[in-house]
Amino acid sequence: SAVISQKPSRDICQRGTSLTIQCQVDSQVTMMFWYRQQPGQSLTLIATANQGSEATYESGFVIDKFPISRPNLTFSTLTVSNMSPEDSSIYLCSAGGTDTQYFGPGTRLTVL
Amino acid sequence: KNQVEQSPQSLIILEGKNCTLQCNYTVSPFSNLRWYKQDTGRGPVSLTIMTFSENTKSNGRYTATLDADTKQSSLHITASQLSDSASYICVVTSPDYGNNRLAFGKGNQVVVIP
Repeated sequence: SAVISQKPSRDICQRGTSLTIQCQVDSQVTMMFWYRQQPGQSLTLIATANQGSEATYESGFVIDKFPISRPNLTFSTLTVSNMSPEDSSIYLCSAGGTDTQYFGPGTRLTVL
Repeated sequence: KNQVEQSPQSLIILEGKNCTLQCNYTVSPFSNLRWYKQDTGRGPVSLTIMTFSENTKSNGRYTATLDADTKQSSLHITASQLSDSASYICVVTSPDYGNNRLAFGKGNQVVVIP
């Protein structure tokens, strides 16, 4: 199994600013992912964080809005740029492979 | 249309009682089906994972069933406890998705009351 931590756990931000969320895994993992979970909705995959190369974004998500870094096999960051109230959500980091995925505790973001 | 539908959306049960949550999916072809428990303010935690050939799997008081022919799964909670209050999410994977993408249901919100 993998234990995943995220920082910050929550934040309240002003419109137009940016927030960087950190994700740390306690062991080396090949695959890391970033999800968004809006109230009452399913988890939506934002992108796959690839170590040593650019992230792979899902339809509807772009690098300029959600830049992602993956400097090594245990760490990744997601930045939510130029935030608007519509970005208020829970952002989850996960790691794993085909058999299972482990999730971090999430970052609850509120944009005013 | 979501490829994973869960019902009921929410339910309230008395402590000690049993309950069953339903998951219907349209994902095809199918690799595996997972049930996750998500406590408020926490990330999802895996309860069970079943492949095409498995039709039941237990994890303590949680028992999941799978009927791959009808594309239905259920999660049964036995002798519920207050700590079972959470959202239960059904997740399906397909070999066609690639890149380890998952299809998520919206979750069954369970509230256990004393």
